[in-house]
Amino acid sequence: GAGVSQSPSNKVTEKGKDVELRCDPISGHTALYWYRQSLGQGLEFLIYFQGNSAPDKSGLPSDRFSAERTGGSVSTLTIQRTQQEDSAVYLCASSLDGTNSYEQYFGPGTRLTVT
Amino acid sequence: GDSVTQMEGPVTLSEEAFLTINCTYTATGYPSLFWYVQYPGEGLQLLLKATKADDKGSNKGFEATYRKETTSFHLEKGSVQVSDSAVYFCALSDSGGSNYKLTFGKGTLLTVNP
Repeated sequence: GAGVSQSPSNKVTEKGKDVELRCDPISGHTALYWYRQSLGQGLEFLIYFQGNSAPDKSGLPSDRFSAERTGGSVSTLTIQRTQQEDSAVYLCASSLDGTNSYEQYFGPGTRLTVT
Repeated sequence: GDSVTQMEGPVTLSEEAFLTINCTYTATGYPSLFWYVQYPGEGLQLLLKATKADDKGSNKGFEATYRKETTSFHLEKGSVQVSDSAVYFCALSDSGGSNYKLTFGKGTLLTVNP
């Protein structure tokens, strides 16, 4: 079946603009995660959704970052007033539920470049 | 807080060489441990995992043993192939209320030459 998909695959934006990154999880997966992969920082957890709720937003680096999930499916990560330090690959993952009993399946990522 | 430290890369080996990538961790609870692999142009994939002390995870000829006494989960393969060239990430998810969250090491780039 289809895996986790993300769009766009690449995004170049000017500093100060807003961007939206989209994630389509595997059908039936109730848990969804966003991570960020940047040079020097490795992979960092951003936010976790169980259904449409986000019980853990602790990894969002600032209030310019927000995310939502609708219909227990698609999620959007929004970055407002982008800064150069936001340049990274943003990865989405999903799993059957939000415990470590189930594998997290990762999408191919969105590479964001802020100029 | 939880953390994962893995050996800095890049690692360059010849085909059929022995591979070890070291990984140590710090966790407050009783974590599950994972190795993920990212092949060029592809997304992260789970390679193997171990959920308790002394467990050995294995897949595709790779192995790692959960060593609680040394807080380590080193990745090994007896004979690497060119197709093993990828970035390898050690990760953990802690026990308790936030066991959904993966904490990753910074990754080790492996290049295998023919």
